[in-house]
Amino acid sequence: KAGVTQTPRYLIKTRGQQVTLSCSPISGHRSVSWYQQTPGQGLQFLFEYFSETQRNKGNFPGRFSGRQFSNSRSEMNVSTLELGDSALYLCASSPPLGYNEQFFGPGTRLTVL
Amino acid sequence: KNEVEQSPQNLTAQEGEFITINCSYSVGISALHWLQQHPGGGIVSLFMLSSGKKKHGRLIATINIQEKHSSLHITASHPRDSAVYICAVKGGSEKLVFGKGTKLTVNP
Repeated sequence: KAGVTQTPRYLIKTRGQQVTLSCSPISGHRSVSWYQQTPGQGLQFLFEYFSETQRNKGNFPGRFSGRQFSNSRSEMNVSTLELGDSALYLCASSPPLGYNEQFFGPGTRLTVL
Repeated sequence: KNEVEQSPQNLTAQEGEFITINCSYSVGISALHWLQQHPGGGIVSLFMLSSGKKKHGRLIATINIQEKHSSLHITASHPRDSAVYICAVKGGSEKLVFGKGTKLTVNP
């Protein structure tokens, strides 16, 4: 079975731009979670989607948004990028049973200049 | 105070040594995860536990719910075990909250 894939792997943007990151979960997984990792704050939960519905949301401003499609693929969008948004963005998918177990993708490293 | 505290922050060991990494949390939880992150960023889930003890190869994870404490042990450590080990808990909010990680370096 293919693992969780994320595209693109690397991205460079400038302040004020917006960005869309994509995550394809493991086949059969319906839950997708997104995380931000920075050197200062470590790993932080962004949001979780299940069957196209946002099930949970972390403490991030409204510039961060996401969605999930009927095939369970998910996207996250960050608008009006700030320097502090530079981070590794990770997504993880969970199987229908043992729903707590998470399988992580390789991440998208976003640099905001 | 962070909800999840890990110790030590950094750990250097010689190959073959027994390693212990600790995790303390302050909230009631439904599950605790131990994750491994290698340079380059990829994260692997090592254990998910809500009680007792789990073992996988040279890795052992324990949790004491009453004391709100978990430990990750590595027996016969090897240089390939060098990584950052992260503890994460899922509490009543159902959101994963992460510790800052423990950077382990195992020298040959």
